[in-house]
Amino acid sequence: RKEVEQDPGPFNVPEGATVAFNCTYSNSASQSFFWYRQDCRKEPKLLMSVYSSGNEDGRFTAQLNRASQYISLLIRDSKLSDSATYLCVVNFGNEKLTFGTGTRLTIIP
Amino acid sequence: EPEVTQTPSHQVTQMGQEVILRCVPISNHLYFYWYRQILGQKVEFLVSFYNNEISEKSEIFDDQFSVERPDGSNFTLKIRSTKLEDSAMYFCASSVRQSNYGYTFGSGTRLTVV
Repeated sequence: RKEVEQDPGPFNVPEGATVAFNCTYSNSASQSFFWYRQDCRKEPKLLMSVYSSGNEDGRFTAQLNRASQYISLLIRDSKLSDSATYLCVVNFGNEKLTFGTGTRLTIIP
Repeated sequence: EPEVTQTPSHQVTQMGQEVILRCVPISNHLYFYWYRQILGQKVEFLVSFYNNEISEKSEIFDDQFSVERPDGSNFTLKIRSTKLEDSAMYFCASSVRQSNYGYTFGSGTRLTVV
C-alpha cells in the first residue's frame, strides 16, 4: 500500500521562530514530491516541489532523503500568515497524487 | 494568474438525487482530475482524465460516479444517486503535464447530502 505519513500536530509556534515538519512515504520508487498548503476549508495550493538536492524558496526549505524515505519542510522567521495546514504529497509514479493527513501550524503573535 | 474554476461553491442535495459538479480547467492544460476531502480527513484521489478518457480511477470512483468533458472547456463530475457519505469537498484540478509536476486545484464544491 502506498502511504504518506505526517505528524498531524498541531504545532503552535511563536512568530519569528523556525519550525520544521517531517513526512515519511512508503514506496522507494516514488517519483516526485511536493509540499502543499491548505487554509481552512480552502483548496490545497502548491507551496513547492521537493528535489533530491534540496531546494529553497525564500523562508522555506525542502529536503528529500530517498534512502530514509522522508521529506522535510523548514520555515524560517515564521509569520502569522504561515498559519495553515501543510500537506506532504507524493506521486508514486502513476496518475495521482497521494496526500498525507497534513500538519496543522498556528503561528502565535 | 490562470485558475481552475468550480461551480457551484456549495450544493445541498437529498440522498438518492443526482448531482453534477462543474469545473473549467486552465485553458492549455491537458490533464484533469477530481479529488475529494471529507471534513477532517485527507485529500483523496478520485479520477484522472486525459485525451477524452479516464486514465486512472480509485476504488472510491465506483459505478455511481462518472466524468465528462462535454464541450472542450468544462469538465464535470456526476454522482448518480448520492449517499450521505458522499458529503465532502470536491476539488477539480488540472495540469499541463502528468502529475509528477504538481497541479492547480480549483476552490472546490462543498457537497452536502441530507
